[in-house]
Amino acid sequence: QVQLVQSGAEVKKPGASVKVSCQASGYTFINFDIHWVRQATGQGLEWMGWMNPKSGNTNYAQKFQGRVTMTRTTPTDTAYMELGSLRSDDTGVYYCARGLYETTHQPRSDWFDPWGQGTLVIVSS
Amino acid sequence: QSVLTQPPSVSGAPGQRVTISCTGSSSNIGAGYDVHWYQHLRGTAPKLVLYGNNNRPSGVPDRFSGSKSGTSASLAITGLQAEDEGDFYCQSYDYRLSGSYVFGTGTKVTVL
Repeated sequence: QVQLVQSGAEVKKPGASVKVSCQASGYTFINFDIHWVRQATGQGLEWMGWMNPKSGNTNYAQKFQGRVTMTRTTPTDTAYMELGSLRSDDTGVYYCARGLYETTHQPRSDWFDPWGQGTLVIVSS
Repeated sequence: QSVLTQPPSVSGAPGQRVTISCTGSSSNIGAGYDVHWYQHLRGTAPKLVLYGNNNRPSGVPDRFSGSKSGTSASLAITGLQAEDEGDFYCQSYDYRLSGSYVFGTGTKVTVL
């Protein structure tokens, strides 16, 4: 079945960086964008950006530009999200998700399915 | 700060019908971008329950339905069941945010 499996929990100090992995299985990895979404502690879902695994092209939410980098390793069907200059309010759960869209419908509005199980990132001194 | 606004909470007794609104603007829902809905239970991955305004993925019961009009959308759950509890989020696209996907503020559904 289609599945995204993420790396385990991380504890980081303020100012450090964290890199979360997301390994895809059950479908052709390069054919679908990977999106990253986070839920900071006590907050709702927040979209961070997407990456096209075939080209490597990315688009980041304005809030995270300059701090986030999304990459991939195609031989292992793995996507990565690295967030730098961590602050305490970056504490939360980070999810990857596959992007889907209706090819015959305009304008395009992707939806996300499935999602990875989530990776808890704790930023604390 | 989300550009899609939802009520913080809705509740209903088992078997009742509840609706969740998702209010946007002319740069997202009003511009014709589809709305999608997710159910999120604490400690689990969000689950897609509706895509393309009113389409149910395989395995989602027909108790879930959706609609969209103007700058708003809504999700309806009929025949409410205990397993429907959780947080629900709408999601769409906003062209004024440099090509950004956006989520609603989230609604907690409580089955009384």
